[in-house]
Formats: sequence, C-alpha cells, structure tokens
Amino acid sequence: QVHLQESGPGLVKPSETLSLTCTVSGYAITYYYWSWIRQPPGKGLEWIGYIYYTGSTNYNPSLKSRVTMSVDTSKNQFSLKLNSVSAADTAVYFCARGGQLWGGFDYWGQGTLVTVPS
Amino acid sequence: QSALTQPASVSGSPGQSITISCTGTSSDIGDSNLVSWYQQHPGKAPKLIIYEVDKGSSGLSNRFSASKSGNTASLTISGLQADDEADYYCCSYAGSGTFWVFGGGTKLTVL
Repeated sequence: QVHLQESGPGLVKPSETLSLTCTVSGYAITYYYWSWIRQPPGKGLEWIGYIYYTGSTNYNPSLKSRVTMSVDTSKNQFSLKLNSVSAADTAVYFCARGGQLWGGFDYWGQGTLVTVPS
Repeated sequence: QSALTQPASVSGSPGQSITISCTGTSSDIGDSNLVSWYQQHPGKAPKLIIYEVDKGSSGLSNRFSASKSGNTASLTISGLQADDEADYYCCSYAGSGTFWVFGGGTKLTVL
C-alpha cells in the first residue's frame, strides 16, 4: 500500500523559507510524478508543482519564482521549499502521487498545517 | 479565485441524485481529457474518485459517474447516502504552461 507522510515545521516566520519533506513508503519514487498541493484554511486546493525522480520539475506559474522542489531517491523522499513566505502562504500542505499526463492524484499524505503569522 | 468554477453548495435527500458542475475554458477542460474529481471529508486528505473524465477509481461505488461536454465537466452521485456528505473538487490539466488547476470546491449536504 502506498503511503505518503509530510514532515516539517508547522510555524514559519514571514519572509523566511518554508521547507517540507514527503516520505513515500510502499512504492518506489522512481516512477510517476510527485506533487505538492496546498489548501488555505476553509478554501480550495492549489497545485504547487511536481517533480520526477530524475529531478525534472514543473511549477504553478503563480508560485514559480518562490518554489524549489528536490528529490532524494535513496531515501524515497521529495521536498518542497517556498521562500519569502507571507500570511497568504498559511495552508495545509499535501504531498501526492500524480501530475503526469494520465490518471490523477491518486495517493495523498494526510497533510501538514503550516502557519505564517501576520 | 479558482481557475475552474463550481457551485459553492448542493444538497439532496438520501436516495436522490445530484450533479455538480465544473466550468472551465477551452484552455483547460475544453482541451483536456485529464479531468479528475476528488472527495474530501472534513479534516481529511482529498480522495481521488474520478480520473480521465469518467473513469472511476478502484473500488468506487457505481453510484458515482462523471462526464464532460465542451468546457464543463459534471459529477453525478445517485442514491445519495449520508457518507457522501463532503466537499468535492474538480481538477483539469491546463496545458504545458499552467499545468494543473482546481475548482473552488462544492459542499454536498445530505439532508
């Protein structure tokens, strides 16, 4: 069974960098695309970007200037960095399997709330 | 403001059928067979229920069906049950520049 688990600080100061890691178990990360998706409190979902095991990435144009994703195949993990955060970046951040041009986002982590105080 | 437009809420009684619409443009839904739907219960992660417009995820009840016409995708739930009460989100591929866009979500209330 595929399992994804997000980890990282729950509180990030304004203007600093949000850093999260997603650990995948039950499936090798060397197939499929792997995405980050966020959900501000009480609001809808926003795709942040995806990464392939080769390190190839694509990002949401609205966040592209602040986002960096990386992958560590030896640990079966992928990571998200979002810099220059503000209160508008407060959200539950989900990692998910998907983003390739077939299927959907079929496995999700439980999500982790990251708060940026105003 | 979300890229895809969904009604904020829909409701129905147990046993009834409801349809949730998801309206995009010719750059996303209208030009893609990569439309998916997600069910999200409060405090939980979204769950994929429909992918590639009308394909049900593994184990999905046949009470759920979906379709697309032009720039609008639709999700229909028949034989409403209490556990169907949740938020539902549509998602579409929007081309190699924008990639993936979501709808704003629809809250389904089972009366």
